[in-house]
Amino acid sequence: EAGVTQSPTHLIKTRGQQATLRCSPISGHTSVYWYQQALGLGLQFLLWYDEGEERNRGNFPPRFSGRQFPNYSSELNVNALELEDSALYLCASKRPTEAFFGQGTRLTVV
Amino acid sequence: AQSVTQLDSQVPVFEEAPVELRCNYSSSVSVYLFWYVQYPNQGLQLLLKYLSGSTLVKGINGFEAEFNKSQTSFHLRKPSVHISDTAEYFCAVSRGFSGGYNKLIFGAGTRLAVHP
Repeated sequence: EAGVTQSPTHLIKTRGQQATLRCSPISGHTSVYWYQQALGLGLQFLLWYDEGEERNRGNFPPRFSGRQFPNYSSELNVNALELEDSALYLCASKRPTEAFFGQGTRLTVV
Repeated sequence: AQSVTQLDSQVPVFEEAPVELRCNYSSSVSVYLFWYVQYPNQGLQLLLKYLSGSTLVKGINGFEAEFNKSQTSFHLRKPSVHISDTAEYFCAVSRGFSGGYNKLIFGAGTRLAVHP
C-alpha cells in the first residue's frame, strides 16, 4: 500500500510570492489534513478536507487556502508569502481512527 | 476544546535505561489519545493509540503508554531505550465519537536524546 505522498519535498520562494503544495492520500482515504510545523512552534492544524469539502480550518489567515480534488488529492496554497511561513508542511490522510502522515514539504521563504 | 501539554521539551537518557515521556491533556469530552514519533527530516509515524478499553496500550518498537483518566495523563514509556530511539515524540488528542475522530491536536513535542 502506497503511503501519503507530498510534493515537492523542498520549495524555496521569495517573500510575496505564492506557494503551492500537493498531497496524495492513501488509496481509499477521503480525509486530508494539513499541518504546519514551524521551528519552535510544534504542529499547528491548518486545514481539514473530507469528500471534497473544507470541514475545518485552524487559526491561520485567509492567505492560507486549499482544495480537495475528486480523486481526494489535495493542494495547499499560500499567498503573499512571509518569512515566518517558512516551515515543514505535513499532510495526513486517515481512516476512522488512524492518521497517516507524509514526509512533508519544507518551504523556505527568503 | 482539547489541549495537550508535554511536560518535558527534552529528555536525555543513556542507552538501555528506561524512559518516560509525559503528556497531560485537557478536555471536557471523551477523547482519543495518540503518540507519534518523528525522525529527523521525516514525517510522523504512529507509535500507539488509545481509543477505549484497556488503559495500558502497547505500541511499536517496545513502547507502551497508560491512559489515566483521573489524572488526565497519557505517559509514554519504554523499559530499555536504544540509540535509534533518538527522535521527537508528539502526544496528540482528538475528540472521540462513534466511527472515528476529527482533527488531531498536538503537544509541543519532546526531544528524546539517547546517549551511548
